[in-house]
Amino acid sequence: EDQVTQSPEALRLQEGESSSLNCSYTVSGLRGLFWYRQDPGKGPEFLFTLYSAGEEKEKERLKATLTKKESFLHITAPKPEDSATYLCAVVFYNQGGKLIFGQGTELSVKP
Amino acid sequence: EAGVTQFPSHSVIEKGQTVTLRCDPISGHDNLYWYRRVMGKEIKFLLHFVKESKQDESGMPNNRFLAERTGGTYSTLKVQPAELEDSGVYFCASSQDISAEKLFFGSGTQLSVL
Repeated sequence: EDQVTQSPEALRLQEGESSSLNCSYTVSGLRGLFWYRQDPGKGPEFLFTLYSAGEEKEKERLKATLTKKESFLHITAPKPEDSATYLCAVVFYNQGGKLIFGQGTELSVKP
Repeated sequence: EAGVTQFPSHSVIEKGQTVTLRCDPISGHDNLYWYRRVMGKEIKFLLHFVKESKQDESGMPNNRFLAERTGGTYSTLKVQPAELEDSGVYFCASSQDISAEKLFFGSGTQLSVL
């Protein structure tokens, strides 16, 4: 069954046009939620870990937030170099490093 | 510091052949993971080593897949015999602790079974 759902599947923005990506999960016993960035031909690159509802993390133009049912990745004034696939993943208690990934959102930022 | 290294980057084999993928984790990382992404699907967990021991192999699809981690250093993933549905990108990741606070991924091996 789908446990992690990301939307939209693809997003095209103009440089400077802020937007948000969504990651919703339908599971209980969540220990943490992760955001990764993946460039073509590369492996996922860690961005953030969120553990509890209300938590927020920021890095440059990116800000990740977490509620009880979903997470948002806000992108403020994006640049073309922010173009990538953004992956959301969750991990349960007692599951160690077994991440459950969503399908990702492919972001394209045009100059 | 060197990252997670995977070899080969691409492999094209025929159905029924054997392929071995290799992963060298970051030095000092006891935890090593294998994941794969098949066409159109999300990245899925295959298994997790802690040093040389298999901690969790619940994601291994069937007994055609064999993973080893000799001496708790590098790991190999062998597929024998390969089937068409095994095509995809195989990622290796490593971390310092078991909590998966931060996994470091390799660039993956693109496997094509014809």
